Amino acid sequence: EVQLVESGTGLVQPGGSLRLSCAASGFTFSRYNMNWVRQAPGKGLEWVAYISSSGKFTDYADSVKGRFTISRDNAKNSLSLQMNSLRAEDTALYYCVRDTYYDIRGFDRFYSDYWGQGTLLTVSS
Amino acid sequence: EIVLTQSPATLSLSPGERATLSCRASQSVSNYLAWYQQRPDQGPRLLIYDASNRATGIPGRFSGSGSGTDFTLTISSLEPEDFAVYYCQQGSSWPRITFGQGTRVQIK
Repeated sequence: EVQLVESGTGLVQPGGSLRLSCAASGFTFSRYNMNWVRQAPGKGLEWVAYISSSGKFTDYADSVKGRFTISRDNAKNSLSLQMNSLRAEDTALYYCVRDTYYDIRGFDRFYSDYWGQGTLLTVSS
Repeated sequence: EIVLTQSPATLSLSPGERATLSCRASQSVSNYLAWYQQRPDQGPRLLIYDASNRATGIPGRFSGSGSGTDFTLTISSLEPEDFAVYYCQQGSSWPRITFGQGTRVQIK
């Protein structure tokens, strides 16, 4: 059974830092691209960061670029998100999300097929 | 950025009724669109990928259609567990995916 379990819940002051982690199990972690997606209280979903299966390629939403760093340890089946210079608007539930590759009539497609339960970050003074 | 607009914001229906949810993209995403269900206090669950393909384990009452800029998720006969929030998501700008704002399906 695929499982993604986030940790690192915290209350942080504006300008502070926090590291979120995700423990993956039930699949060959090193073969999958991974993402962090967040959801502010009562709001919709916002993609935050992406990392390729090898860790070689990363990408970030403009709202977090330069402040957040996504990384992975394939030997430990873990995904991380280092968050610095935190702002009130970063307050959200953060989901660890797996991408799966689909070959759709010769087109390469990636869809987010498994999500964790989320871990809550609150940025407040 | 590709913006997805979902309608309606809220759908009030009774169990057994048919639900029709809409998602419109600000520019063509071809068929690169997915639908997710989110129940309270749970992470989203993939229902439909590439506009019309049911994900593994998803019941046949869920179906998706559309291409380009206009997409529809249909639930043919609502079960009690289907009352939830539904999001569409485009992958045309992958990995910079974007989501619609969601449609809440609630019990009438």
